[in-house]
Amino acid sequence: QKEVEQNSGPLSVPEGAIASLNCTYSDRGSQSFFWYRQYSGKSPELIMSIYSNGDKEDGRFTAQLNKASQYVSLLIRDSQPSDSATYLCAVNKGNRGSTLGRLYFGRGTQLTVWP
Amino acid sequence: GAVVSQHPSRVICKSGTSVKIECRSLDFQATTMFWYRQFPKQSLMLMATSNEGSKATYEQGVEKDKFLINHASLTLSTLTVTSAHPEDSSFYICSAPTPNTDTQYFGPGTRLTVL
Repeated sequence: QKEVEQNSGPLSVPEGAIASLNCTYSDRGSQSFFWYRQYSGKSPELIMSIYSNGDKEDGRFTAQLNKASQYVSLLIRDSQPSDSATYLCAVNKGNRGSTLGRLYFGRGTQLTVWP
Repeated sequence: GAVVSQHPSRVICKSGTSVKIECRSLDFQATTMFWYRQFPKQSLMLMATSNEGSKATYEQGVEKDKFLINHASLTLSTLTVTSAHPEDSSFYICSAPTPNTDTQYFGPGTRLTVL
């Protein structure tokens, strides 16, 4: 079983719609969860981090965490063509706040937002 | 967010040569940095953890004698790909967490092509 798995893509939504991205992880002891966005040929850029069960909102982005189900999701409201990218779910298996933690990434979900 | 730089951004070399990639944290000190590799259409794979003042920690399956890591100061880590071969061609990305957090910021990446 892979450490981090993401729903298969690609995902295509019209401009203004809600895009839903999902991720599951295998290590129940994981503490920190991240969503990164990666444009083609570029390195990942951080969108959000989440540590506690529930929802965390930042602008058009909402991250959801359910540790019991080992599930993390990202919702993008009012999707824009500029949101078209690959979205990577990452899990830090170290203790929260520990700089010794290492990130394990899913394969990513490619999102296309069409005008 | 914090700024991490990498140099060079792109390198082409002949098979059998060695290539050094630098990773710098520009506005913060990083006792730990991480090196990732990403093949086309695949996710980021953690290669090793670079520790300032001590030996790097390599992930399973990564050859430490082939991928030499030196964390010379609190703002600089280098990755040297020794005796590079075409199968080493990849996108190499470093990251560093800001102090006392587990939020990692990525460098822009180095695209290595071995002929």
